[in-house]
Amino acid sequence: EPEVTQTPSHQVTQMGQEVILRCVPISNHLYFYWYRQILGQKVEFLVSFYNNEISEKSEIFDDQFSVERPDGSNFTLKIRSTKLEDSAMYFCASSDSSYNSPLHFGNGTRLTVT
Amino acid sequence: DQQVKQNSPSLSVQEGRISILNCDYTNSMFDYFLWYKKYPAEGPTFLISISSIKDKNEDGRFTVFLNKSAKHLSLHIVPSQPGDSAVYFCAASEAGGSEKLVFGKGTKLTVNP
Repeated sequence: EPEVTQTPSHQVTQMGQEVILRCVPISNHLYFYWYRQILGQKVEFLVSFYNNEISEKSEIFDDQFSVERPDGSNFTLKIRSTKLEDSAMYFCASSDSSYNSPLHFGNGTRLTVT
Repeated sequence: DQQVKQNSPSLSVQEGRISILNCDYTNSMFDYFLWYKKYPAEGPTFLISISSIKDKNEDGRFTVFLNKSAKHLSLHIVPSQPGDSAVYFCAASEAGGSEKLVFGKGTKLTVNP
């Protein structure tokens, strides 16, 4: 069964550094998402992406965050200057439709900011 | 912001019995509901969904029931198996093309052999 893959599985970085989290969505999917889960809290929506542009973003997704689809297969989340509170599991997801279509998630990248 | 609530943090059942996981929501604009299962160190795995035009959807051992007037949905697992032990998340999205899913906090299900 096709799956969403994320790399790395764990990233440790120092506060103020830039990080790039990478994802390869399911190949025939057109809609891409990033979610995060801070330890002990809910899974939260960050951003959705379709047709090479952001279609929706949450208030969490401020100017420090950006997303890109640099080629036909990768989807990346960049955090420009990490803060301690950015420490979380970051999940990439994809779907084949924007309406009433389940999202398929990767296994996540655990980001630890020290 | 508790638009999707799973009030039971944990549930324990015996193998072979029914597991019932509950979820309440407050946003009347939600029209699509999903259940995800999550094992430690893995991402959420889609289980089953239901749109607001239905009140029941079944897939093998999993059935989701939706009560729109009560703003309540439930997931039934029959019969429960030890491999079903995981955290179960309820999620919902709004009508009108909003793509984001709003998740509950999850219920940890333990199925005892």
